Amino acid sequence: DTGVSQNPRHKITKRGQNVTFRCDPISEHNRLYWYRQTLGQGPEFLTYFQNEAQLEKSRLLSDRFSAERPKGSFSTLEIQRTEQGDSAMYLCASSPRDRGDTQYFGPGTRLTVL
Amino acid sequence: RKEVEQDPGPFNVPEGATVAFNCTYSNSASQSFFWYRQDCRKEPKLLMSVYSSGNEDGRFTAQLNRASQYISLLIRDSKLSDSATYLCVWYSGGGADGLTFGKGTHLIIQP
Repeated sequence: DTGVSQNPRHKITKRGQNVTFRCDPISEHNRLYWYRQTLGQGPEFLTYFQNEAQLEKSRLLSDRFSAERPKGSFSTLEIQRTEQGDSAMYLCASSPRDRGDTQYFGPGTRLTVL
Repeated sequence: RKEVEQDPGPFNVPEGATVAFNCTYSNSASQSFFWYRQDCRKEPKLLMSVYSSGNEDGRFTAQLNRASQYISLLIRDSKLSDSATYLCVWYSGGGADGLTFGKGTHLIIQP
C-alpha cells in the first residue's frame, strides 16, 4: 500500500498523559499536513511542513502540541498533558511538490482522552 | 460569518432520485474548490474539483459561482453507496493554511 499511513489508528489515554502519533506520507510527496476533526465538524488545519520545515501553524495548535518532520519524510505529532477536549480524529495528509491543493489523507488516529 | 457554510442535513433521499447540495464561502480570494466525500469513521477522499465552467463526472456535477460565492454538487440517479458526508472544501493557494473544510452535508440514500 503506497498511500498515507498513520499509527496508531486508535489511542485511549488518561487526562494529563502525553501521546505521540506518527504519519508516513506518500514517498514522493514533499508537503505534509496535520488536521483535527471532531464529531460533526469538518477537518480543521493544524500545521504544514514542506520537506522538514514547518511553514504554517494554526492558532488551534496550542503550546501543548508539537509537530516534527526531522528528515522530511515521516512526521510526528505530540500532545502533552492531554485534556478531554483533545479527543478527536487526527488526520495527516500529503501532497506533491507545488500541488498543495491535491492532498491525500491517511486513515487518521482516533484519540480518546478519559 | 463562517468561512464555509453547508446545510448539515441529513438529507434522506430515495434511491434513484436526484439530490443537490450548496455550499457558500466567504473568502473571495479562494483559489480552488473541491467536494470531498467522507464515509463514517473514515478519512475524507477527493470526489471532484469544482470549476467555474462546471465539472461533470458520471452521475456527479459540480459548479462554481464566484459572483455569488457558492459551489454546488448534483448527484443524479442516486445509489445506496452514495450515502456519506459530502464536504465542501476550498484552498487559498501557496500551501499556507491547508484546506478549509465545511462541516459537511450528511446524505442518506434510502432503498
